[in-house]
Amino acid sequence: ELKVEQNPLFLSMQEGKNYTIYCNYSTTSDRLYWYRQDPGKSLESLFVLLSNGAVKQEGRLMASLDTKARLSTLHITAAVHDLSATYFCAVDMDSNYQLIWGAGTKLIIKP
Amino acid sequence: DSGVTQTPKHLITATGQRVTLRCSPRSGDLSVYWYQQSLDQGLQFLIQYYNGEERAKGNILERFSAQQFPDLHSELNLSSLELGDSALYFCASSPSAPAHEQYFGPGTRLTVT
Repeated sequence: ELKVEQNPLFLSMQEGKNYTIYCNYSTTSDRLYWYRQDPGKSLESLFVLLSNGAVKQEGRLMASLDTKARLSTLHITAAVHDLSATYFCAVDMDSNYQLIWGAGTKLIIKP
Repeated sequence: DSGVTQTPKHLITATGQRVTLRCSPRSGDLSVYWYQQSLDQGLQFLIQYYNGEERAKGNILERFSAQQFPDLHSELNLSSLELGDSALYFCASSPSAPAHEQYFGPGTRLTVT
């Protein structure tokens, strides 16, 4: 059974600091997605990682994928309050296009 | 705007009632997914349809059912509603390409009183 584990599940940090969210998964896959969700809102796609070693960056966020380690990271650089949200990773199951979702990391960035 | 539309945006109903949630996928997307998200919870995958056919089932209760119509819009039917069914219900769609990124609609917030 494919399992996806995110950690931490909750993170409170100060503006200006750096931090990393980890997404581990239990079986072979080379497609991983990161989404952002603001409270009460829908999910917005952030990054699509489609191969080992893939690295994508958007502003203060950078995501990477290591398929051999079955690990993806979402790195936040010099955090700002606007990045406060819940971040989900999701891994592709080959059959039926179904994604397996992590539990989400709730990120609070304090001014 | 993802291009996925959901109606209604909000729904308030009583226990025991039945409701229908509607989703229109992005133009050209053949797959539709339904998810339930309770307060401060993660996403629970309910069911997936691809080009009108059910492809995968997740944690969907027997009181819930869904279908995808020839024009590819989908409906999620929730019956004999209970207080615990109060949640955000999201629809997502994806193209039939190898990259299976899903695009989410704005959600329907269901409140059962």
